Amino acid sequence: DTEVTQTPKHLVMGMTNKKSLKCEQHMGHRAMYWYKQKAKKPPELMFVYSYEKLSINESVPSRFSPECPNSSLLNLHLHALQPEDSALYLCASSQGLTTDTQYFGPGTRLTVL
Amino acid sequence: AQSVTQLDSHVSVSEGTPVLLRCNYSSSYSPSLFWYVQHPNKGLQLLLKYTSAATLVKGINGFEAEFKKSETSFHLTKPSAHMSDAAEYFCVVSDNPTGRRALTFGSGTRLQVQP
Repeated sequence: DTEVTQTPKHLVMGMTNKKSLKCEQHMGHRAMYWYKQKAKKPPELMFVYSYEKLSINESVPSRFSPECPNSSLLNLHLHALQPEDSALYLCASSQGLTTDTQYFGPGTRLTVL
Repeated sequence: AQSVTQLDSHVSVSEGTPVLLRCNYSSSYSPSLFWYVQHPNKGLQLLLKYTSAATLVKGINGFEAEFKKSETSFHLTKPSAHMSDAAEYFCVVSDNPTGRRALTFGSGTRLQVQP
C-alpha cells in the first residue's frame, strides 16, 4: 500500500482565520514533506520532516507552521494567510531522507479570500 | 547542481497513437530519475523510476522510459495513447549533493489525447 491521505480536500478561509491541513501515511515512512503547487507549475518544496524532526524549511513565511506529532502524521497550521497563498498543498512521504522515492497524497485545494 | 528540462510544455496526440514526452537532465552525481503523472486537481502518481539498474524502465499503465547517459535524456514513451492518459507529466531528478536526496522537478508537459 503506497497511500498518503490528506484532509480536507478543499478549504476556503479568510485572511484572519486559523486552519490546519492534515496528512497521514501508514507505510512506516520516516520522512514527510509539504509542497505548494500553483496552477500550471511544478510543486515547490516547503518543509521536510525526518524522524519527526524538522529537517528542511525552504524559507517559508511564518504564517505556515508545520507539525509532526508522530511518525504517521504531518500537519500544516495556517494563520493570517494572504490570497497569493491559494494553491494546491501536497503532502508526500518516503522511507527516509536518503531514500528518494516520494509518494504523494491527493492534495488540499486551499482558497484564501 | 541538478536541473531538469522538459522540452515540450504541451503535447497533443490522437488516441491509439504513440506518446513521446521528452526530458533532459543535468546532475553532478549518479541521479535517480522519475516520471510522475498528475491528473486535474489530483496529487502526483509515480509512473516509473530509474536508479542505475536497467536503462529501460517499465512503469505503470504501459509507460516506459529509457535512460541515455550519453544524451542525458530520460524520455517517456507509450506505444498507444488512451484518453485516460490526458494529464500533466513531470520529469524529476534526484541526486545526493549533501547526503540527502533532493528532488528537482521539470516544468511539466501537458498531454492532450484527441479522440
